[in-house]
Amino acid sequence: EIVLTQSPVTLSLSPGERATLSCRASQSISNYLAWYQHKPGQAPRLLIYDASNRATGIPARFSGSGSGTDFTLTISSLEPEDFAVYYCQQRTIWPPFTFGPGTTVDIK
Amino acid sequence: QVQLVESGGGVVQPGKSLRLSCAASGFTFNRYVMHWVRHTPGKGLEWVAAVSSDGSTQYYADSVKGRFTISRDNSKNTQYLQMNRLTAEDTAVYYCLNGGWFDPWGQGTLVTVSS
Repeated sequence: EIVLTQSPVTLSLSPGERATLSCRASQSISNYLAWYQHKPGQAPRLLIYDASNRATGIPARFSGSGSGTDFTLTISSLEPEDFAVYYCQQRTIWPPFTFGPGTTVDIK
Repeated sequence: QVQLVESGGGVVQPGKSLRLSCAASGFTFNRYVMHWVRHTPGKGLEWVAAVSSDGSTQYYADSVKGRFTISRDNSKNTQYLQMNRLTAEDTAVYYCLNGGWFDPWGQGTLVTVSS
């Protein structure tokens, strides 16, 4: 089973700041990684797929990079609506599909 | 557009059973692998199970193997999750999803296992 590790656990930032979130896989997953945003009381939302492709309707301030075992989600300038939990997910080797434990981006 | 509507959640006692349903529309249902994923505040997102496009093959997370059964009815564009021998650890919002990357997500259905 591929294990995904996310860091940091919590990121405390102010609106307008840059957020950098990390996801590391226990073995190479090529570029088969996605990022999701989850806000309390709402359904999760796909942000990035195949490591670097923005999903439909996702603002350009969200970008993804990486391949192999190390991946990054960057939010270039935080908007108030971006404070949420972010999960990475792989689908290279399944079952199981695996998710990371999440990074909470909260307001400083 | 793709729509996935989950139903069947509720409050159930430990050891009891529950069946979730997911009505799909807006895509060619019988061409896609279908999944169930659950969310708990403590554990985050957890993939639960998947079923092949023709329903012949099922895949399960270790945490539910032997207790949960995933199935689908392509004539009704619906998939199911039969959950038996439920425990408190199964308390979660359950989401029905299709295909490779999970998009879009429905509102989910809440399952609460409590005495």
